[in-house]
Amino acid sequence: GNSVTQMEGPVTLSEEAFLTINCTYTATGYPSLFWYVQYPGEGLQLLLKATKADDKGSNKGFEATYRKETTSFHLEKGSVQVSDSAVYFCALSVLNRDDKIIFGKGTRLHILP
Amino acid sequence: EPEVTQTPSHQVTQMGQEVILRCVPISNHLYFYWYRQILGQKVEFLVSFYNNEISEKSEIFDDQFSVERPDGSNFTLKIRSTKLEDSAMYFCASSEAREFEAFFGQGTRLTVV
Repeated sequence: GNSVTQMEGPVTLSEEAFLTINCTYTATGYPSLFWYVQYPGEGLQLLLKATKADDKGSNKGFEATYRKETTSFHLEKGSVQVSDSAVYFCALSVLNRDDKIIFGKGTRLHILP
Repeated sequence: EPEVTQTPSHQVTQMGQEVILRCVPISNHLYFYWYRQILGQKVEFLVSFYNNEISEKSEIFDDQFSVERPDGSNFTLKIRSTKLEDSAMYFCASSEAREFEAFFGQGTRLTVV
């Protein structure tokens, strides 16, 4: 079946550090890939997406590239801020296969000032 | 900016009682979803709804759960006889088309006592 695996948290970094949160997926068909973010006490917000191989999604300084050969969609940011502290969810959906988005377990990120 | 709205933000109910969680999806969206997140854990798919019927549901969505779109704007989740383990954050989401990203509401925190 379709699934998403992302690195365990929490991840703790100092402000301005480089961030990578790993995400790999298993899918039958051609998935669209997403990163959602959940700030404390809030709902899920779409951070970025990519719909086909080699696409790069980007938003708010975050980037992720859809790598079909490694079935990965790692989230990166060059210089994190305290305000980036949140839980990040990697997710996928497969057109014509599912009527749902499948989420990873989430990675909690703490940024220290 | 259009958004998905959910009410109430927090509901406390006694075990065995019925609850109805309400959602107003984005107006031109056609696909509707309910997810839940038990505290600190992964986001779990419950059900998707399209063209006035359930299009997919998970194992969690048993006979105690039902969904309805009673009018042109609301989308509700009913739990007939709540159990302690139903305590979670429930998120409603909608999307314009199946291959598009889903937009999530802020969630309803359900506490069963």
